[in-house]
Amino acid sequence: GDSVTQMEGPVTLSEEAFLTINCTYTATGYPSLFWYVQYPGEGLQLLLKATKADDKGSNKGFEATYRKETTSFHLEKGSVQVSDSAVYFCALWGDYKLSFGAGTTVTVRA
Amino acid sequence: GAGVSQSPSNKVTEKGKDVELRCDPISGHTALYWYRQSLGQGLEFLIYFQGNSAPDKSGLPSDRFSAERTGGSVSTLTIQRTQQEDSAVYLCASSLPRTPETQYFGPGTRLLVL
Repeated sequence: GDSVTQMEGPVTLSEEAFLTINCTYTATGYPSLFWYVQYPGEGLQLLLKATKADDKGSNKGFEATYRKETTSFHLEKGSVQVSDSAVYFCALWGDYKLSFGAGTTVTVRA
Repeated sequence: GAGVSQSPSNKVTEKGKDVELRCDPISGHTALYWYRQSLGQGLEFLIYFQGNSAPDKSGLPSDRFSAERTGGSVSTLTIQRTQQEDSAVYLCASSLPRTPETQYFGPGTRLLVL
């Protein structure tokens, strides 16, 4: 079945550092891919998505590119802020449901 | 507009009791999903509704779990004879019929079974 594997956390960074969270997937066909974010005390929010190969999703300074050849959808941000501290989930859409990775906790220190 | 709402926000119950969790989707969203977020298991799909029917119940972990949806709107997830391993955050999401993959999540119900 469909599955998502993402980088284990936790990740601790200083403000203005570069952030990468790796995500790879296993699926039949070419599923839509997503990054969701859960800020402390809040619900799950869609951060960005890509629906086909080579698409780049972007939002709030975050980017991720759908790489079919490596079945990956790595999340990147060039300069993180304290407000980016959250849990990040990679997900794919298949069989009428979202399959999520385990989540990566990111803490950004001032 | 209003987002997905869930109630209660927190529920503490004793092992063996039944609980009901409620989800109110965004108006006009015909698809509704239940997920569970627990330590060690991550985010797991439970069940999916299109209108009032549930084409996919494959994620329900046991026959103690059931869900219904009435009027194409509110959904209730029922857990009978709760066990400690049922402790988790139960998340509901809804989506528009043309973009089912773009789901909007509620704040969740945090269930603790003592």
